[in-house]
Amino acid sequence: DAGVTQSPTHLIKTRGQHVTLRCSPISGHKSVSWYQQVLGQGPQFIFQYYEKEERGRGNFPDRFSARQFPNYSSELNVNALLLGDSALYLCASSLAATPGEQYFGPGTRLTVT
Amino acid sequence: AQKVTQAQTEISVVEKEDVTLDCVYETRDTTYYLFWYKQPPSGELVFLIRRNSFDEQNEISGRYSWNFQKSTSSFNFTITASQVVDSAVYFCALDPDTGRRALTFGSGTRLQVQP
Repeated sequence: DAGVTQSPTHLIKTRGQHVTLRCSPISGHKSVSWYQQVLGQGPQFIFQYYEKEERGRGNFPDRFSARQFPNYSSELNVNALLLGDSALYLCASSLAATPGEQYFGPGTRLTVT
Repeated sequence: AQKVTQAQTEISVVEKEDVTLDCVYETRDTTYYLFWYKQPPSGELVFLIRRNSFDEQNEISGRYSWNFQKSTSSFNFTITASQVVDSAVYFCALDPDTGRRALTFGSGTRLQVQP
């Protein structure tokens, strides 16, 4: 089975622009979580979606939003980009029925100039 | 609130040496899960182990072993006979089992294994 996939791999945007990142979970996984990893730090939790509903939100501004589609894929949207949004954005999928391991995708490297 | 501390920023060893990566956590939850992930230069986080708060048995998987001590809130990771391929950043993480899958990660320990 395919693992978690994310697109695009790399992205360069200008301050003030908007960006959409995409994630497809492992087949059968209904939960998707998003993390932001700034260079040199551990990942920080942004959102979790399960069965198309937001189940958790980290300490991020309202410029960050996400959604999950009927096929369980997900999008992360970031508006009014700031230089500090430059990071690796990781998507993780899990079964979510029980606290199990999350499987991470390769990430999208976002650079804001 | 949860917190995971990995005090070792970077460790450098020579191949075949044993190395222990430290992890100390803080949580008020009685039920929680602890994880270790490996992040090679490619960037993708690779799951290594999950341990729940009720299971303090140590675990060994090949060259890897984990020591969970609830009394000291520690979940340390030992690599025996390290290899160059073990070079990566290792993250310890905590899931407080609140119903959402939100991992709290430590800042990571960069392990460099020299040939």
